[in-house]
Amino acid sequence: DSGVTQTPKHLITATGQRVTLRCSPRSGDLSVYWYQQSLDQGLQFLIQYYNGEERAKGNILERFSAQQFPDLHSELNLSSLELGDSALYFCASSPGGTPQTQYFGPGTRLLVL
Amino acid sequence: AQSVTQLGSHVSVSEGALVLLRCNYSSSVPPYLFWYVQYPNQGLQLLLKYTSAATLVKGINGFEAEFKKSETSFHLTKPSAHMSDAAEYFCAVRGCKISWGKLQFGAGTQVVVTP
Repeated sequence: DSGVTQTPKHLITATGQRVTLRCSPRSGDLSVYWYQQSLDQGLQFLIQYYNGEERAKGNILERFSAQQFPDLHSELNLSSLELGDSALYFCASSPGGTPQTQYFGPGTRLLVL
Repeated sequence: AQSVTQLGSHVSVSEGALVLLRCNYSSSVPPYLFWYVQYPNQGLQLLLKYTSAATLVKGINGFEAEFKKSETSFHLTKPSAHMSDAAEYFCAVRGCKISWGKLQFGAGTQVVVTP
């Protein structure tokens, strides 16, 4: 158990819908990272937040957005969902903003029908 | 740009045999390199990391990796495979400059252990 929690574990929704994925980092960790894992794209970095502010951005679609709240939990919002958004979404956390070990949560499996 | 290439998407090893997973990297800055393992239906777990200290890095579960700058490689080994080593293994390199936190992952290597 990494100490990073993600909810929900599974999510099934329809195209065009909007969903919110939630992540609670390890106690004391200030950085939160979001990754997408799909069969065709592999593991892709989406976005990083550090202490409430966006720190780095990767291959995140404009339909996707994220935020980190004062209590340091983070949410990833996916809107206008398409079939291709079906994937495993991981959250990771680390103590600071500089390169350190990232601890991964168990992931949220999203299925768009 | 930072990138890693994992040679071989599937590796089959016999129980008790050497496990060797290959990873080559490309980095415009001194690299930080990582190996993660993903068991079925689970998240990623860190096996080991290289952060410019010793070139031979020991990790959990008997795994180790050697950083070779001249070969731009960071291969993962384990002397004797165990059935519990069956999983997918990912090599990753950190981002650079303003993207320090970004991990760039390889495509992964699925390890099958046969009795």
